Amino acid sequence: DAKTTQPNSMESNEEEPVHLPCNHSTISGTDYIHWYRQLPSQGPEYVIHGLTSNVNNRMASLAIAEDRKSSTLILHRATLRDAAVYYCSRSNTPLVFGKGTRLSVIA
Amino acid sequence: KAGVTQTPRYLIKTRGQQVTLSCSPISGHRSVSWYQQTPGQGLQFLFEYFSETQRNKGNFPGRFSGRQFSNSRSEMNVSTLELGDSALYLCASSLVGGSSNTEAFFGQGTRLTVV
Repeated sequence: DAKTTQPNSMESNEEEPVHLPCNHSTISGTDYIHWYRQLPSQGPEYVIHGLTSNVNNRMASLAIAEDRKSSTLILHRATLRDAAVYYCSRSNTPLVFGKGTRLSVIA
Repeated sequence: KAGVTQTPRYLIKTRGQQVTLSCSPISGHRSVSWYQQTPGQGLQFLFEYFSETQRNKGNFPGRFSGRQFSNSRSEMNVSTLELGDSALYLCASSLVGGSSNTEAFFGQGTRLTVV
């Protein structure tokens, strides 16, 4: 039971921002929200994680709803290399991935 | 620094055989977790090791076992292989694990095919 819900797929034009949503309505108060992505034939790659406030790193931004029941991963300018399956997890111990969102980036 | 290394990358085994997979974590990382990934079930947690001790275990039968050595390298073993064990087996290392406030680094996985 992944306990997270994500859209199956999304599409974006290159150089445009992408907002990937995740619902995690049963998250506990101390669990961080984690995002990973996976390219074909590779292991998952860490993207970002956060607890309550919004987080930024060199790869992406994470916007967390005030009630923590949902979050949004923001890729500010999608590139072809960002095409992957994106997973959110409401825990890191262990990670629990649902089906994820397959992001397609159009040149 | 070197990433997580898993060997072998690909493996074909026959039903009933056993298999051992290896994982070398990032230098300095003491927590190693194993996951099974299949198209139907997605990513499923097998177990986590920290300082040579199994700290957490998923819901897999006893045919799946693992261990961790003093240098943090880890192995997992699957005995009496079944067709349904065909999957991508992923190893993830983290500095200490056991905390939600830390990232995990995955290897490229071992693709096991049971025929």
